[in-house]
Amino acid sequence: GAGVSQTPSNKVTEKGKYVELRCDPISGHTALYWYRQSLGQGPEFLIYFQGTGAADDSGLPNDRFFAVRPEGSVSTLKIQRTERGDSAVYLCASSPSGGTNTGELFFGEGSRLTVL
Amino acid sequence: AQSVTQLDSQVPVFEEAPVELRCNYSSSVSVYLFWYVQYPNQGLQLLLKYLSGSTLVESINGFEAEFNKSQTSFHLRKPSVHISDTAEYFCAVSDHGAGSYQLTFGKGTKLSVIP
Repeated sequence: GAGVSQTPSNKVTEKGKYVELRCDPISGHTALYWYRQSLGQGPEFLIYFQGTGAADDSGLPNDRFFAVRPEGSVSTLKIQRTERGDSAVYLCASSPSGGTNTGELFFGEGSRLTVL
Repeated sequence: AQSVTQLDSQVPVFEEAPVELRCNYSSSVSVYLFWYVQYPNQGLQLLLKYLSGSTLVESINGFEAEFNKSQTSFHLRKPSVHISDTAEYFCAVSDHGAGSYQLTFGKGTKLSVIP
């Protein structure tokens, strides 16, 4: 499809394990965002890429979280030593420009992470 | 820092009745405002946005929102709702200062349309 694709759609893991979540943005979109949505909350910003570089990672909660976008397209969010509090839906979005102040972000359906 | 308050977590309304979903924001700079909608088992989609110009903006499916700078509000309204409007609605803000790009979301309002 032509939309933002996220895999896996669901991931169940045990506390302490390592997890990778993948985002494939809309072709040609240079900006890519990761958000996290906990139960009963709105999406919270994690990190923003412009091309290959992380332009702002101020939303990452701690150093267990890391994201890469090596070729400026697909991005992977990596979580080390997962904790139960990491359980949430992780959302990826892309846009054709460098800033949300030009309008729309296109969101994927999210990856639901459950840490037991 | 910016913040968004959606006062109502759930709003039940009968079909064909009017609805208003409230959104207030706080920001120290000028902002852009958005409403996103999430239908069951789908991703977030942009419903409408205010960037500049007319303070009243409309969506293609009959929703409208008015930017009120003095009251720092961006309430969403529809004069007559349909069953298909059942979804969760998120208000979001970004400041349009140089280099800004983040969206700050509210906690969402679940709209349930009752037949």
